[in-house]
Amino acid sequence: GENVEQHPSTLSVQEGDSAVIKCTYSDSASNYFPWYKQELGKRPQLIIDIRSNVGEKKDQRIAVTLNKTAKHFSLHITETQPEDSAVYFCAASMTNFGNEKLTFGTGTRLTIIP
Amino acid sequence: DVKVTQSSRYLVKRTGEKVFLECVQDMDHENMFWYRQDPGLGLRLIYFSYDVKMKEKGDIPEGYSVSREKKERFSLILESASTNQTSMYLCASISPDVTEAFFGQGTRLTVV
Repeated sequence: GENVEQHPSTLSVQEGDSAVIKCTYSDSASNYFPWYKQELGKRPQLIIDIRSNVGEKKDQRIAVTLNKTAKHFSLHITETQPEDSAVYFCAASMTNFGNEKLTFGTGTRLTIIP
Repeated sequence: DVKVTQSSRYLVKRTGEKVFLECVQDMDHENMFWYRQDPGLGLRLIYFSYDVKMKEKGDIPEGYSVSREKKERFSLILESASTNQTSMYLCASISPDVTEAFFGQGTRLTVV
């Protein structure tokens, strides 16, 4: 089955700096790669995703890049703000018309230092 | 808005008890999942279901079973609770055409 590794497990950055979280996956058939953000005491929520036919996707201060050959994808957060502090999870899935199964990484706790 | 609701936010059970965790979604999603969240281990898939009365084992099914008698409800059952099942349990539903997972608020289970 799919295996997703995520690094680093913790990350502290100064407010205004950039943060990068990296994930690798094992199953070359995976074609959908979402990122979830979990704030303290809350449920995980989707913040951005990318499909295997795209190399990069941006949404304001957040971007995700995908390298299919190397089987890794990364989350980039620019101009970090205190509200970016949370646990971030990457995931991989092979969408198969109803048989989606999301395999998650182990999470990164991001702390933004004011 | 999709709503996924778990029946309890906090539960304390004794070792050996049979425990039921309930999850209900209101968006007619076919796919429902139970994850377990532990620090440093991320979200690990216990069981999932693609349709009523269907179930598939995830990565860590031992000690658990599930029930899906109606499309909107997916139950996780701990047949005989043990202390190593103390954890946060998250239910999720996923729409096949959207693929986004919508999570419940989580149930923090403590087995004593």
